[in-house]
Amino acid sequence: TQLLEQSPQFLSIQEGENLTVYCNSSSVFSSLQWYRQEPGEGPVLLVTVVTGGEVKKLKRLTFQFGDARKDSSLHITAAQTGDTGLYLCAGAVAADSWGKLQFGAGTQVVVTP
Amino acid sequence: DAGITQSPRHKVTETGTPVTLRCHQTENHRYMYWYRQDPGHGLRLIHYSYGVKDTDKGEVSDGYSVSRSKTEDFLLTLESATSSQTSVYFCAISVQRGYTDTQYFGPGTRLTVL
Repeated sequence: TQLLEQSPQFLSIQEGENLTVYCNSSSVFSSLQWYRQEPGEGPVLLVTVVTGGEVKKLKRLTFQFGDARKDSSLHITAAQTGDTGLYLCAGAVAADSWGKLQFGAGTQVVVTP
Repeated sequence: DAGITQSPRHKVTETGTPVTLRCHQTENHRYMYWYRQDPGHGLRLIHYSYGVKDTDKGEVSDGYSVSRSKTEDFLLTLESATSSQTSVYFCAISVQRGYTDTQYFGPGTRLTVL
């Protein structure tokens, strides 16, 4: 059973379009991370959000942590082909959980020229 | 890249044979993890370690064992591989900054059990 539900599972858009990926849960997280994974490689950390309502920007990527710390979103503006990849969200359930994270199943994003 | 290596990177084996995957880190991190990644499931935790000789089970630990005799090495063993254990296996370390735990991943091992 996935604690974190990501939607959509798959997203195909053209270069220049915007997209949003959602990560939802009924659990409260002490922090939430977003990763991007490319074929044949391990996930690479994009951002960590900690405070409810927090918004972080990484160039064309905007990450938001919900006020209740149960959900998050990733918005990409003017997508580029280099944004293609599997996007994973992961939440830390408690501060004393031995650093364990709960992962969503991922959203596969394909950006075509 | 947090200095994490995994070996082997690819392995094909037969049902019933034992298999050991190795994770090596160079930065003395306390916490280490083994995950498997399958389509539609994301990353699922197999086992984790919070110190030398200190390990515990994750959500999909059946059929797997681990050992950590040194800080830098975390071994995952499939005692008798089955086809359902065909997967991509990732090792990770955790870095704690304040109240935040962030994980960094190795490059993965693709295991095929025939």
